[in-house]
Amino acid sequence: GAVVSQHPSRVICKSGTSVKIECRSLDFQATTMFWYRQFPKKSLMLMATSNEGSKATYEQGVEKDKFLINHASLTLSTLTVTSAHPEDSSFYICSAIIGTGGYGYTFGSGTRLTVV
Amino acid sequence: AQSVSQHNHHVILSEAASLELGCNYSYGGTVNLFWYVQYPGQHLQLLLKYFSGDPLVKGIKGFEAEFIKSKFSFNLRKPSVQWSDTAEYFCAVKGTGGGNKLTFGTGTQLKVEL
Repeated sequence: GAVVSQHPSRVICKSGTSVKIECRSLDFQATTMFWYRQFPKKSLMLMATSNEGSKATYEQGVEKDKFLINHASLTLSTLTVTSAHPEDSSFYICSAIIGTGGYGYTFGSGTRLTVV
Repeated sequence: AQSVSQHNHHVILSEAASLELGCNYSYGGTVNLFWYVQYPGQHLQLLLKYFSGDPLVKGIKGFEAEFIKSKFSFNLRKPSVQWSDTAEYFCAVKGTGGGNKLTFGTGTQLKVEL
């Protein structure tokens, strides 16, 4: 089936540095991908929707300059957390729509980011 | 805007017990509804989904859910749980007029004891 590969699974970085998280669709073309953030004991919060070849659409309250999303190809979307701070520590998950019509979604295995 | 609430945050059951996890949504139009499961250390996997037709939806691993439009609910059920069902369960909604965005509930952590 449609698989999304997300890397890295875990990353620890120092405050002030930037971290890039990759999300690749392995056996299908992902025109649309989503980035979520999951806080402990909380729901998955949609951060942004990325469409191949165009600017990402960010949800209200999400800083676009801090969470840079690039979707330059049909198989790769990246999320870069810039100038990371401890409060950015979280679990980030990418997702892609399978096929057309928005009827199916596949999810990456997530990235645990710890900023120290 | 669409929203989802899951009432049970933690559920502990013995093997063979029956399961019902509550899910209520808020949206003013037609919805698509989903239940996802996340096993420890793994990615979200689709259990079942409802788009239209029979409101009783059967999914994988013996799970089913019933869409009750009048109650804005989509509760997940399983007649007899197994230890391997220990996982976190998420209900999600997609409003058909709101693009392809999924809105998730806060999740229910299910622990099945032997």
